[in-house]
Formats: sequence, structure tokens, C-alpha cells
Amino acid sequence: DSGVTQTPKHLITATGQRVTLRCSPRSGDLSVYWYQQSLDQGLQFLIQYYNGEERAKGNILERFSAQQFPDLHSELNLSSLELGDSALYFCASSVATNRRGGGETQYFGPGTRLLVL
Amino acid sequence: DAKTTQPPSMDCAEGRAANLPCNHSTISGNEYVYWYRQIHSQGPQYIIHGLKNNETNEMASLIITEDRKSSTLILPHATLRDTAVYYCIVKAAGNKLTFGGGTRVLVKP
Repeated sequence: DSGVTQTPKHLITATGQRVTLRCSPRSGDLSVYWYQQSLDQGLQFLIQYYNGEERAKGNILERFSAQQFPDLHSELNLSSLELGDSALYFCASSVATNRRGGGETQYFGPGTRLLVL
Repeated sequence: DAKTTQPPSMDCAEGRAANLPCNHSTISGNEYVYWYRQIHSQGPQYIIHGLKNNETNEMASLIITEDRKSSTLILPHATLRDTAVYYCIVKAAGNKLTFGGGTRVLVKP
């Protein structure tokens, strides 16, 4: 158990819909990262938040957005869903920001499996 | 971030040591070598990381060559539960983890 929790575990929805994925980081961790894993793309970084502020962006679509709340939990919002958005979505957390260099460790949650029909 | 090269797959006998190689010839001085594994669609699990020196923890050992251009992850006594995809990642100050294809390790009885 990494200490990172994600809800829901599974989500089935239809094209065009909107869903919200939730992540609670490990106690004390200020950074939250979102990753997407689809069959044909592997694990891809989407976005990072640190203490409520967006810190880095990866291959995140404009239909997707995220935020980190004062209690440090994060939500990933996916809208206008397409069949190709079906994937595993992982959240990870770490203590530090990039000011410490590459030495901080990210711990992953169990993921949310999204199926768009 | 520097790229890494890993063999796509390898088999290992249960109870024997598994040695997983990784090449990262373009690694720069402030980049760390991280190892994660993913067991069948579960969340990636952190194994170990290092900068220059060899590292050991309860899960594995990490051997980094003196020029830092390659490393080896050692699972000392592989069990069936070690069957997974193992990712070697070089990470700089940008924080994101860039996952490649990894090495699919199959531990056989």
C-alpha cells in the first residue's frame, strides 16, 4: 500500500460525457501527478500540481483539466469523452518539487480504470 | 531527461537472482536512475533509485557503473510475485517520470 488513494476504481461511461477522478496523496506530500496508461501509448505524464499550483504540463488534452485543493487532494476532470480516452489513470504523489532536483520519489495510487462506450 | 534502453523481456528461475540491465548513455550529472515495476495493470511500484553510488534496500540492489552510463537492478531471490514489467527511468529536475517500454520479467518455477 503506497498511501495514495484513488476513487473510483472503475468507471464506465458514454461518449460525450464528463467524469471526475479523485486522488488523495500520501500524508505530507505536496506534489500530485497524473498519468494516463492506454494500451497503445504506455504510461504518459499528464500534469503536476504542487501545493495547489500547476507546476508542469505534459500530454494533457484541452478537454482534460485538473486542480489541487487546499487539503491537497486532486481531481482530474475529463470532458467530451471519446472512445480513445478509455485507459488507466494513475495519480502519484511526492514530497518535493523540482527545486530539489530529481531525488524525490513518486508513489503511485492503484489507478482508476475508465471505459468509454 | 535522458533516454533509457532496456531489453524487452527476460525470464528468470524462481529462487535465482534476476539481473536487469539498463543503458542510459546520455545521463547528465544531476539525473537520478529510478526503477519502478508494474504488476498487471496495478499502479507502478517504486523499487529503488540512485545517483552515483550503489544502493540496496529490502527489495533490490542497484548497481551503477562508474561512468553512470548504465545500471543493473538486482532482485536477489526472485519469486513468482516478482513477475512484472520493470521500468528504468532517468529523472532530472523536471519531476515527471518518462516511462519507456520496460523489461517484461517472467519468473518461472
